[in-house]
Amino acid sequence: QSVLTQPPSVSGAPGQRVTISCTGSGSNIGAGYDVHWYQQLPGTAPKLLIYADNNRPSGVPDRFSGSKSGTSASLAITGLQADDEADYYCQTFDHTLSGSDVFGTGTKVTVL
Amino acid sequence: EVQLVESGGGLVQPGGSLRLSCAASGFTFSNYWMHWVRQAPGKGLVWVSRINSDGSGTFYADSVQGRFTISRDNAKNTLFLQMNSLRAEDTAVYYCARNCDSTSCYQSWGQGTLVTVSS
Repeated sequence: QSVLTQPPSVSGAPGQRVTISCTGSGSNIGAGYDVHWYQQLPGTAPKLLIYADNNRPSGVPDRFSGSKSGTSASLAITGLQADDEADYYCQTFDHTLSGSDVFGTGTKVTVL
Repeated sequence: EVQLVESGGGLVQPGGSLRLSCAASGFTFSNYWMHWVRQAPGKGLVWVSRINSDGSGTFYADSVQGRFTISRDNAKNTLFLQMNSLRAEDTAVYYCARNCDSTSCYQSWGQGTLVTVSS
C-alpha cells in the first residue's frame, strides 16, 4: 500500500495538456525530499523522466515538467503525443519507513 | 552507455530460495549506490532494497526484511539479491537500478527478471 497517491488514469487528446498529481504527507514530500518521476511504456522498464522535483535528464523533451508544493507534486505533459501513452510513477523518500524509498500508485495516461 | 542486465529469475516453490544477479557496465560501478525494485504482474513499482557504494550499508523494505539480502561484488561489477523463504506475494519482475549522480533517484534500469513463486 503506497503512501503516495496518484489518480489511476488521466486522458487527453493529441496536443492537449494533462497533469498528474502525487499526494503525500509530512513524512515524505512535505518533509522536503526530492520528488522524481518515471515513465513506463508498455512491456518495458521504467525510465527516469524528471528528477529533483523539476529537472529533466538529457534527452527528455521540455514538454514534460515537474513541480512541488507542500505535501504534493505534479507532472505536466504539454503537447500530448501518441507515444506518451504509458504509466507514470512519482517517487520520493519517507523517513517513517525504515529508510524506504516510496513510489506512487501510478497513473495510466491515455491519448484519445 | 550504461547497461544493467539482470538474471537468475524463474519458478520457485513457496519457502524456496533464489539468487538474482545484475551485471553492470558502462560506468564506474563502485561509485554508485544500487537498488532493487519489483513490480508484481499488473501492479505498480515497489522499492525492495538498496546498497551503498562499498557494500557496507544495506536497507530493506519491511516486506522483505530478514528474508532478502542485497550484496555487491565491485571487482566483478555485479549486484546480487539473495531471496529466501519466498512467498507467493514475492512474485514480480525484479529490476536493478543505478542511483542518480546527485540525488536519490533511479538513473538507469535493467530490463528486469521475472520471479514466480508457486507450487
